[in-house]
Amino acid sequence: GQNIDQPTEMTATEGAIVQINCTYQTSGFNGLFWYQQHAGEAPTFLSYNVLDGLEEKGRFSSFLSRSKGYSYLLLKELQMKDSASYLCAVREMNRDDKIIFGKGTRLHILP
Amino acid sequence: DGGITQSPKYLFRKEGQNVTLSCEQNLNHDAMYWYRQDPGQGLRLIYYSQIVNDFQKGDIAEGYSVSREKKESFPLTVTSAQKNPTAFYLCASSITAGGGKTQYFGPGTRLLVL
Repeated sequence: GQNIDQPTEMTATEGAIVQINCTYQTSGFNGLFWYQQHAGEAPTFLSYNVLDGLEEKGRFSSFLSRSKGYSYLLLKELQMKDSASYLCAVREMNRDDKIIFGKGTRLHILP
Repeated sequence: DGGITQSPKYLFRKEGQNVTLSCEQNLNHDAMYWYRQDPGQGLRLIYYSQIVNDFQKGDIAEGYSVSREKKESFPLTVTSAQKNPTAFYLCASSITAGGGKTQYFGPGTRLLVL
């Protein structure tokens, strides 16, 4: 089976840095995604990791350690518009490459 | 403009009624998906289709049905057998189902039971 864990909620201050962790257990790992979802809207793609290491894209970076079943999303120079839910999702190779989503981390940004 | 459209944005269902949610994409994507999202929950896969005229059940297919007669269209019917249909329904598509292909989501349909 599969299990994806991430914190339910986090709070950070505008201009600061925040790290959102995600741990997963899967029988056939084939990539990890991070999505951003504002309230009442559709998720939008942020990053994709399939190999170990750090992927940087502007203010956002995503890290993966396959041996530890661990990823994090790092958000720098936080802005008020970053207030959203962040969804960690894992693609499972032996389940028709379907993507399994975690419950999401709701991030609150304080001025 | 290329993208995924879902209609309607809000849908009301009466008890015992079947309702159909529309999903159309003009991205020329082969794979399409339907997810359900409940408050505080992750996205759960209802049905998916990797190619025209073929589809598979996801994790929570009971009470739902789909069709894939055209590449660009993947409508979802919520039948009267679905006893708790109130949720946010999201349609997604990807170029293919495998590899590192990300999914792109439509704006969603919020279904409410009267």
